[in-house]
Amino acid sequence: GAGVSQSPSNKVTEKGKDVELRCDPISGHTALYWYRQSLGQGLEFLIYFQGNSAPDKSGLPSDRFSAERTGGSVSTLTIQRTQQEDSAVYLCASSAGTWYSGELFFGEGSRLTVL
Amino acid sequence: EDKVVQSPLSLVVHEGDTVTLNCSYEVTNFRSLLWYKQEKKAPTFLFMLTSSGIEKKSGRLSSILDKKELFSILNITATQTGDSAVYLCAVEATSGTYKYIFGTGTRLKVLA
Repeated sequence: GAGVSQSPSNKVTEKGKDVELRCDPISGHTALYWYRQSLGQGLEFLIYFQGNSAPDKSGLPSDRFSAERTGGSVSTLTIQRTQQEDSAVYLCASSAGTWYSGELFFGEGSRLTVL
Repeated sequence: EDKVVQSPLSLVVHEGDTVTLNCSYEVTNFRSLLWYKQEKKAPTFLFMLTSSGIEKKSGRLSSILDKKELFSILNITATQTGDSAVYLCAVEATSGTYKYIFGTGTRLKVLA
């Protein structure tokens, strides 16, 4: 597509439910990142995918968080047994590659509210 | 631990003023520094800097990197209300994997 697409744009859920957030990166971009931004805070790194390499999961805050990227394109971030502190905007970004520096292109984000 | 620190945290100015936003960093294997503007949700790209001392300019915005002192500045001249936003600094580091580390941002408000 023309840009990074994320869905849903807004999600309200009850504490304890599972949620899935989807990211469709720019076509041809091999690198995909998930970030979390809590109200008034900067971007917190969650996970990074590069091509077919094993993902860098070092930013995932707990084992309730997981992500996958199928076919090197679309990615899904799953949060199990959601807690109120999971409420945030989840931003996905993609970039063209790693052998040269490139800008990150961001999606509009998914705003998650856990009641 | 890799970190990026931005200052000030927030700033209120009047239209026409000039502002300077600061970004300092401590990372392993620096690769590039990027500035983004975030008005609502998606940060939009402003500049990418890889070399020291070379100013990048776009209209009223400019930025420069000092790799010896490990900082960058973003200047905005003749500010307008449309410049009101959060300005994010990110450093691309290659410590283990390629990663963009973001600062907490500077919230700029420009009053008419």
